[in-house]
Amino acid sequence: DQQVKQNSPSLSVQEGRISILNCDYTNSMFDYFLWYKKYPAEGPTFLISISSIKDKNEDGRFTVFLNKSAKHLSLHIVPSQPGDSAVYFCAASNGGDKLIFGTGTRLQVFP
Amino acid sequence: DAGVIQSPRHEVTEMGQEVTLRCKPISGHDYLFWYRQTMMRGLELLIYFNNNVPIDDSGMPEDRFSAKMPNASFSTLKIQPSEPRDSAVYFCASSLGQGPRGYTFGSGTRLTVV
Repeated sequence: DQQVKQNSPSLSVQEGRISILNCDYTNSMFDYFLWYKKYPAEGPTFLISISSIKDKNEDGRFTVFLNKSAKHLSLHIVPSQPGDSAVYFCAASNGGDKLIFGTGTRLQVFP
Repeated sequence: DAGVIQSPRHEVTEMGQEVTLRCKPISGHDYLFWYRQTMMRGLELLIYFNNNVPIDDSGMPEDRFSAKMPNASFSTLKIQPSEPRDSAVYFCASSLGQGPRGYTFGSGTRLTVV
């Protein structure tokens, strides 16, 4: 049973425009959410996170939005750059030690 | 700091053979996690350790999979016997303290079972 779902396996965006990556979860006990970015042949690296007590967290070009009632979060990248092309994983935790990851969305930013 | 080190980077083996994947966590980190990446299931948690003790192995798919952490600087994930459906990228990650904020992943081992 996939508790964290990323329903879009891929996304293609023009450079300079906004990229919006979506993530849905089923476990209402999740209280912390993260986005990781992964380049080919490398391990995932932490990008940005948000606590369930907030609905928005911003870090430069990256903003994560959390809608607890809809059990939905999204990552906004603006403006998108070619170097943002990667696989993005959404992850969630229920206060314990471990992270539950989604299936990932491959973002391609073209000139 | 060299980060989390995994070996080998690539492994090709024949079905039925034993496979051992290795991980050296970041010095001082007290949590170690093994994940498997597949297209269908994304990043799946297989098992994790705290202070070298296995805490949750509920993600280990079958008895063919086993993991050990004999000391704070080394862990292995073993598959015996291997099957083609085990083909995936296996990642090791480590963190300091409880909570997921400080995961650092290794570069992964791409396993192909033919």
